Amino acid sequence: SQQGEEDPQALSIQEGENATMNCSYKTSINNLQWYRQNSGRGLVHLILIRSNEREKHSGRLRVTLDTSKKSSSLLITASRAADTASYFCATDTSTGNQFYFGTGTSLTVIP
Amino acid sequence: GAVVSQHPSWVICKSGTSVKIECRSLDFQATTMFWYRQFPKQSLMLMATSNEGSKATYEQGVEKDKFLINHASLTLSTLTVTSAHPEDSSFYICSARDPRGGQYGEQFFGPGTRLTVL
Repeated sequence: SQQGEEDPQALSIQEGENATMNCSYKTSINNLQWYRQNSGRGLVHLILIRSNEREKHSGRLRVTLDTSKKSSSLLITASRAADTASYFCATDTSTGNQFYFGTGTSLTVIP
Repeated sequence: GAVVSQHPSWVICKSGTSVKIECRSLDFQATTMFWYRQFPKQSLMLMATSNEGSKATYEQGVEKDKFLINHASLTLSTLTVTSAHPEDSSFYICSARDPRGGQYGEQFFGPGTRLTVL
């Protein structure tokens, strides 16, 4: 399977704390993207980081990419209860026109 | 951002029947669309890549005769689940890459179709 791995599988934090999720993947990529999904709903695109970038920010989100380790992390600062959702990384492979999702992290932010 | 729609949003069918799910890119033309399946509390699994004007490319383990994909135009791809069984019950999501973002631009996802097979 081309699917990446994410950890932790589940994360529970208090409102105001930071949340960090990690993603590891298997093949060479052109870019890596992070998505959010509320239970039973569609995907919301959060951020895209290209293979030649190491860090990217968007509001309270900070994404890092280490292509030598084939890993990425998503940091959500000052978390809010509304951030409760599942978060997935997805990789755009450079060998073909495929787009694979990681296993996901379920984040719960306690008010 | 670009918009991708799916129809229907929820379908219930009897075991043995076939169900067609449509995926449309509403404000851009997509030569490539992707179909995913998501079981409860799991991630999205890529099923196949739909190419306009040619055969779809299926991921390993996905039966092409069971999951028929037709990319009839630059704005429409359909997934037909043939002879559906209860184990096919899942959330099916399509996506399309907006070519205006380049070869590796952002993908836009449809809202998903929930299939329940009785």
